[in-house]
Order: sequence, then structure tokens, then C-alpha cells
Amino acid sequence: ETGVTQTPRHLVMGMTNKKSLKCEQHLGHNAMYWYKQSAKKPLELMFVYNFKEQTENNSVPSRFSPECPNSSHLFLHLHTLQPEDSALYLCASSQDRGDNEKLFFGSGTQLSVL
Amino acid sequence: QQQVKQSPQSLIVQKGGISIINCAYENTAFDYFPWYQQFPGKGPALLIAIRPDVSEKKEGRFTISFNKSAKQFSLHIMDSQPGDSATYFCAARNAGNMLTFGGGTRLMVKP
Repeated sequence: ETGVTQTPRHLVMGMTNKKSLKCEQHLGHNAMYWYKQSAKKPLELMFVYNFKEQTENNSVPSRFSPECPNSSHLFLHLHTLQPEDSALYLCASSQDRGDNEKLFFGSGTQLSVL
Repeated sequence: QQQVKQSPQSLIVQKGGISIINCAYENTAFDYFPWYQQFPGKGPALLIAIRPDVSEKKEGRFTISFNKSAKQFSLHIMDSQPGDSATYFCAARNAGNMLTFGGGTRLMVKP
């Protein structure tokens, strides 16, 4: 295991639902990331938090809302998603934003939007 | 300019053969080039990485070859094994510490 835990592993939701993805890292890192992995597409960076402060929002639609209450926990709140949002959502961490030579990824949440 | 183009999309290699995955980039400001390996049901994990001041880096059966003038780098897996079957992603980091990933290569090593 990488020390980054994501829950749930699988999620099916309707377009009107509200759900949250959770990520927890036990590595003492200060930077946490959300990535989207779609079939046949490069990994897309969504958000970056460094020492609990959001440093990057990669033009992500507002139906995705991140939350970082402390350096160990990261959430992605989802509401009124579209079917094209179905993907694997990966959380990652690194020592800090400036030291990201090694990203530690969780196993992801496979999201299906019906 | 932030794109990293990876090829092939999929690759089938016989056990014991050499697997070669290629990546090309445009941004000359990229300063760090990692490769990540992802098994089904798992997140990507750092496999090996190189900086542009060296032309080759080897770790066990895995070698990165880097051609700065051509703006290309490649991953070579020697003596490929069925356990190497996974998806491989190249990436490049810019001056703002942002990683750009390639599209991935699904490698299957046949016994």
C-alpha cells in the first residue's frame, strides 16, 4: 500500500445526487492532489492543496468542490454531475507542492454517473 | 506546449523481450521526467525518473533513454515479464512544478 487511502472504491450516483469522495494520507505529506483518469485520456490534474490551502484549480466545473480540513485529509464533494464525469478519481500526496518528485497515489474511486 | 505525447497506446511483448515506450514533448522548460506504472485497480506508482542533464538512467531491468535535442524520452523494459503487464505513463514537470502526463501505454507481456 502507498499510504494513501481512498473511499469509497466504487460509487454509482444519479445526476441529482450529492456525494463525497474521501482521501486520507498517512505519510506526513503537506501537499494533496485530485486527479481525474478517463479512458484513453492523460491524467488530468483537478486541484492541489499545499499546507491546507488550495493552490491550483485547473478550470474544474463548480459541480466539483474540494475540501482540505487538514494536511492528512482531502475530500471531493460532488453534486449535479453529468454522465461524462464518470471516471476514476485519484488522490495523491507529496512532501509539499515544491517537492513533488514522487507522487503517492491512492487506488482511486471509480465513479459512474447515471 | 504543455502536452506530452506517448506512444504506442498498447503494446504486446513476449516474455523475455524488450518493451519500448516513447514520449515526446515540446516545452523545453520541462526539468524532470518520471515514469509511473499502474496495475489494474491500483493508482499509479513512480517507477523511474530522469533529469535532462543525463542521457540514460537504469534501474534493474528498467532504463530511461533521454534525447534532449529531439525532445524525446523512452522507457525500455529488458527481459519483460508477465508481472510487468500494466499501464505505463510518462510525465514531464515544468518550472511551476506542474506535472503533465502522457496518455498511457497498456503493456501486456505474454508468457
